[in-house]
Amino acid sequence: GIQVEQSPPDLILQEGANSTLRCNFSDSVNNLQWFHQNPWGQLINLFYIPSGTKQNGRLSATTVATERYSLLYISSSQTTDSGVYFCAVRDGTGANSKLTFGKGITLSVRP
Amino acid sequence: SAVISQKPSRDICQRGTSLTIQCQVDSQVTMMFWYRQQPGQSLTLIATANQGSEATYESGFVIDKFPISRPNLTFSTLTVSNLSPEDSSIYLCSGGPDTQYFGPGTRLTVL
Repeated sequence: GIQVEQSPPDLILQEGANSTLRCNFSDSVNNLQWFHQNPWGQLINLFYIPSGTKQNGRLSATTVATERYSLLYISSSQTTDSGVYFCAVRDGTGANSKLTFGKGITLSVRP
Repeated sequence: SAVISQKPSRDICQRGTSLTIQCQVDSQVTMMFWYRQQPGQSLTLIATANQGSEATYESGFVIDKFPISRPNLTFSTLTVSNLSPEDSSIYLCSGGPDTQYFGPGTRLTVL
């Protein structure tokens, strides 16, 4: 099956700093999503981005499908950005439309 | 978008008993998915639930342990049977046409 690797595994930032989170995947995908899991365990959709670039406030994401990677940018980080960031991909349709998750990146933003 | 609710949000169960988790979507979706997240780990797909047919289980997960119902296009249940402490995890359901949305999760502790 498709492999998803995220880096770095852990990241510590001072409030106000910027960061880049990376997701590499081993095969062509038709869906890529970024999630933020907050300390209460809730998975929050950040982006649906199988290709191209999107921005939402302080967050933006870019997926280069031909090179099989995606980047999540966090600017002017805040303590509320802390948590685990997951990248998940799908390479099939219909009955094979499941998401495969990376191991996640644990972000800690210090005041 | 889709809004997904789960019940219960958390439970503490005794070894050997079973827990049934309910998942409700606010719109009709063809496929729903059940994931397990063990402590400190990423999400692992348990099974894909299609309306009107048997669920499709991933390697390492069997129907006797994780029976699933999908009576209609907005509802599904997952039962975790014959509980052991190793089943202590967060269980999440998801659904959606393209973007996958997740419920808030059910935090299960087995004593």
